[in-house]
Amino acid sequence: EDQVTQSPEALRLQEGESSSLNCSYTVSGLRGLFWYRQDPGKGPEFLFTLYSAGEEKEKERLKATLTKKESFLHITAPKPEDSATYLCAVQAGNMLTFGGGTRLMVKP
Amino acid sequence: SAVISQKPSRDICQRGTSLTIQCQVDSQVTMMFWYRQQPGQSLTLIATANQGSEATYESGFVIDKFPISRPNLTFSTLTVSNMSPEDSSIYLCSAGLAGPTDTQYFGPGTRLTVL
Repeated sequence: EDQVTQSPEALRLQEGESSSLNCSYTVSGLRGLFWYRQDPGKGPEFLFTLYSAGEEKEKERLKATLTKKESFLHITAPKPEDSATYLCAVQAGNMLTFGGGTRLMVKP
Repeated sequence: SAVISQKPSRDICQRGTSLTIQCQVDSQVTMMFWYRQQPGQSLTLIATANQGSEATYESGFVIDKFPISRPNLTFSTLTVSNMSPEDSSIYLCSAGLAGPTDTQYFGPGTRLTVL
């Protein structure tokens, strides 16, 4: 059974304080690992797809990396508008299995 | 990418009634999915909506409770039947674009409260 575990569950940062979110996974036949951002009352917004160990992708202050067992979402110099829940999901076959999410709060 | 809309955005329903949620995609897509997100929780897949055939349900979800239709490549509906307060959740539709990326894009969700 595919499993995805995200840590920490919640993270409070000061504006400008860089940090990383972790996504550990167990899956048979990984087709892709996805990162989404979800704001309160909205659907998840696609951020990145990673396909193989060693791959990295960047978007503004966010950088996602992938190993054979986990993925990291690095947030560099975060701003209050980066506050959201970040979801990690793995794909085997056509379906996604989601982790529990990390709720990020960035204080000005 | 795909732009997805859902109707209604929210509803408050009485116990024992049914609600049908609509999902519209702005382009033809291969795969459409329905998820449930209970308060403070992550997403759980309910079923894959297959065009022209019955939906494929995940463990713990049954067709009698969550009937799904997918009449074409841009539209799907999910019905929550004989509702109870435990069905209060956000219901999300997603569309998967086939190809190298296989990315799923999500609608804004339908917030359902059952009294």
